[in-house]
Amino acid sequence: NAGVTQTPKFQVLKTGQSMTLQCAQDMNHNSMYWYRQDPGMGLRLIYYSASEGTTDKGEVPNGYNVSRLNKREFSLRLESAAPSQTSVYFCASSGAAGYTEAFFGQGTRLTVV
Amino acid sequence: AQSVTQLGSHVSVSEGALVLLRCNYSSSVPPYLFWYVQYPNQGLQLLLKYTTGATLVKGINGFEAEFKKSETSFHLTKPSAHMSDAAEYFCASNQAGTALIFGKGTTLSVSS
Repeated sequence: NAGVTQTPKFQVLKTGQSMTLQCAQDMNHNSMYWYRQDPGMGLRLIYYSASEGTTDKGEVPNGYNVSRLNKREFSLRLESAAPSQTSVYFCASSGAAGYTEAFFGQGTRLTVV
Repeated sequence: AQSVTQLGSHVSVSEGALVLLRCNYSSSVPPYLFWYVQYPNQGLQLLLKYTTGATLVKGINGFEAEFKKSETSFHLTKPSAHMSDAAEYFCASNQAGTALIFGKGTTLSVSS
């Protein structure tokens, strides 16, 4: 059982480049999330999707867009990468937002130079 | 708005000593509460959770936490630390319809 799968695991971008982080879950969960983790800051919510067809901004949405492609997949796009977006990105999913624990992927380590 | 505060960004204990990691939440209604552990270069793994019912919650690897509404706390404890417990620990909370909100994390170091 794969759980939550993120691709790629590592990425280096130049300032101004764009990229999409992919996330897929095989647990038939309704809710999916994108977080970023920075030293001393914990995990901060970028966007989440409580159910297929809905997305909502989190604490730090600026510079990002998301797409809930179907129930399994939730992608995060950086349209014009900036050095401030250097971080580790985690995708997570849960059965229902606010009622159960979230399950996390292994993370994507992104460096913007 | 809900928030989670972890007291102490770094806690050091000796092997065999008591582990106590502190977490306080701020919420207008009692939230659901979670502790996660993160080992280096890995994702987050659920240690334990409190939703409703018994306020003393037992988790994996010998950890437990007690929900105290009067103190708005959910501290994590383990009677005897092991070297393998060295990791970063995150307290988190959510409410109906919302995403998990995390504290800033506490790094646990265990010395022999």
